[in-house]
Amino acid sequence: DSGVTQTPKHLITATGQRVTLRCSPRSGDLSVYWYQQSLDQGLQFLIQYYNGEERAKGNILERFSAQQFPDLHSELNLSSLELGDSALYFCASSVLSEDAGELFFGEGSRLTVL
Amino acid sequence: GENVEQHPSTLSVQEGDSAVIKCTYSDSASNYFPWYKQELGKRPQLIIDIRSNVGEKKDQRIAVTLNKTAKHFSLHITETQPEDSAVYFCAAAGGGADGLTFGKGTHLIIQP
Repeated sequence: DSGVTQTPKHLITATGQRVTLRCSPRSGDLSVYWYQQSLDQGLQFLIQYYNGEERAKGNILERFSAQQFPDLHSELNLSSLELGDSALYFCASSVLSEDAGELFFGEGSRLTVL
Repeated sequence: GENVEQHPSTLSVQEGDSAVIKCTYSDSASNYFPWYKQELGKRPQLIIDIRSNVGEKKDQRIAVTLNKTAKHFSLHITETQPEDSAVYFCAAAGGGADGLTFGKGTHLIIQP
């Protein structure tokens, strides 16, 4: 158990819908990262938050947004869903703000868009 | 932004033999290079990492080498065992506000 909690574990929805994925980092970790894992694309970095502030942005679509709350949990919002958004979404946390330390991954949220 | 290329995409070795996975990166400012192992249906977990001020690091059967001039780094697994079967990801970070950039992964298969 990494200490990072993600909900829901599985989610099935239809195209055009909106979903919210939730992540609780390890106790004491200030950084939260979101990654998208598709079969042929590996782990695609979406966005990083550190202590409530956006710190780094990757290949995140405009239809996607995220935030980190004062209690440090984070939510990833995916809207106007398309078939291609079906993937495993990982949240990871670390104690550092820079990317020079171990990331602890949650178990992931598997999104299926029909 | 950073771009990490990883090869091969699939590697099959006999149990007991060695396995080598190679990665190249594009951003010369990157200074942190971790390797993650992801077993089927599980989350990625860090197995070893190396920083730019070190050329080699070893942890039991696993070693990582870094060549900053050529911008490539490699994972070496010796005396492979069935439990080494997994997908391995290399990554690079530290060159800017791009987060940790992962390669596309290598599916390592250990043949009995």
